[in-house]
Amino acid sequence: DVKVTQSSRYLVKRTGEKVFLECVQDMDHENMFWYRQDPGLGLRLIYFSYDVKMKEKGDIPEGYSVSREKKERFSLILESASTNQTSMYLCASSEGGVGYGYTFGSGTRLTVV
Amino acid sequence: GQQLNQSPQSMFIQEGEDVSMNCTSSSIFNTWLWYKQDPGEGPVLLIALYKAGELTSNGRLTAQFGITRKDSFLNISASIPSDVGIYFCAGLNNNNDMRFGAGTRLTVKP
Repeated sequence: DVKVTQSSRYLVKRTGEKVFLECVQDMDHENMFWYRQDPGLGLRLIYFSYDVKMKEKGDIPEGYSVSREKKERFSLILESASTNQTSMYLCASSEGGVGYGYTFGSGTRLTVV
Repeated sequence: GQQLNQSPQSMFIQEGEDVSMNCTSSSIFNTWLWYKQDPGEGPVLLIALYKAGELTSNGRLTAQFGITRKDSFLNISASIPSDVGIYFCAGLNNNNDMRFGAGTRLTVKP
């Protein structure tokens, strides 16, 4: 069964901390994505990557960075966590090419206090 | 970016009732997808539609890709308690950009 695994289901961090959210997929997918999900706002794209060492900004990249050193792993970094980054974070992957749906991880619920 | 307008925002229905939700956009999409998110989990793909006018079923779920390529709907027939969750529409354009609706939260009363 294909999988996207996010390392933590729940995280509580302090304001100003550097936070790493890890995502690993075992499907050899080329594309990987990070979204945040907030009530009433749906899913908003933070960053995405179509290849190793490649990254592109999504709609709301401010306050975030990403790293993709290996094809299967895509990390989201909050350089200095703030309370407005409290949210559900979802990682997804898809095959290369146009028209493929995404496979999502189970999400990481991050609370910044 | 392109916005998808998904409605309704939430629905409270009785078990056994049929459900209908839809998604509209001012832009054209090449692929429409419908996802379901169970509480505490990530979204899971239910149905993918690749052609304007296409009507596809998956068990009690039926979805259609609008003729104008700017809308899609999802129907659930004879709802059951495990249908509870958030349903998202998503559109994929020819630049491979995926856009999501804000979701429809479905509550099914036994």
